[in-house]
Amino acid sequence: AQSVTQLDSQVPVFEEAPVELRCNYSSSVSVYLFWYVQYPNQGLQLLLKYLSGSTLVKGINGFEAEFNKSQTSFHLRKPSVHISDTAEYFCAVGVYSGGGADGLTFGKGTHLIIQP
Amino acid sequence: DGGITQSPKYLFRKEGQNVTLSCEQNLNHDAMYWYRQDPGQGLRLIYYSQIVNDFQKGDIAEGYSVSREKKESFPLTVTSAQKNPTAFYLCASSIDDRPFYEQYFGPGTRLTVT
Repeated sequence: AQSVTQLDSQVPVFEEAPVELRCNYSSSVSVYLFWYVQYPNQGLQLLLKYLSGSTLVKGINGFEAEFNKSQTSFHLRKPSVHISDTAEYFCAVGVYSGGGADGLTFGKGTHLIIQP
Repeated sequence: DGGITQSPKYLFRKEGQNVTLSCEQNLNHDAMYWYRQDPGQGLRLIYYSQIVNDFQKGDIAEGYSVSREKKESFPLTVTSAQKNPTAFYLCASSIDDRPFYEQYFGPGTRLTVT
């Protein structure tokens, strides 16, 4: 079975500074990777996804992530954050064995706190 | 506009009562999911449905039940057997259950049981 580890439960960052939210996964087969954002008391919204091809994936709101197969990582980055980026961020991994879908497995989330 | 609706947004119940959470989608998606979210726990899968009239247990199905009589609807019942039902519940859907399809989420229902 696959698993996802988000290494930081909280990341405080000053406004306009860069940020990296870390995500590592474990799986013995090919994976599909996702980052979602959740604003307070709302559902999740897709930021970006990696399915195949280029390992650098660009998403909405200026976010990007890099898939690193050798390090089994999919870290999320933004070069300059804004107050409005304050939210919970979830990394998720999907595995398809061909015999049946295993759905998505979510990490426990990273709370990004932007300080003025 | 296509999307997923969950109602109500906030729900309060007394211990020992069953309660049903609504989830409706007009995206024409085959697959639907229910997750439970607790602080610091991420999302945990309760039940999912790949197609009408079929559903499977997720990681934490005990104390919950679902039905899928229509493609658009996937209600979740929290029974009195669920030991700790207070949580934020999220419904999601996707084109089908293959994991390269993203899941679309509803706004959630916050259930408080006292």
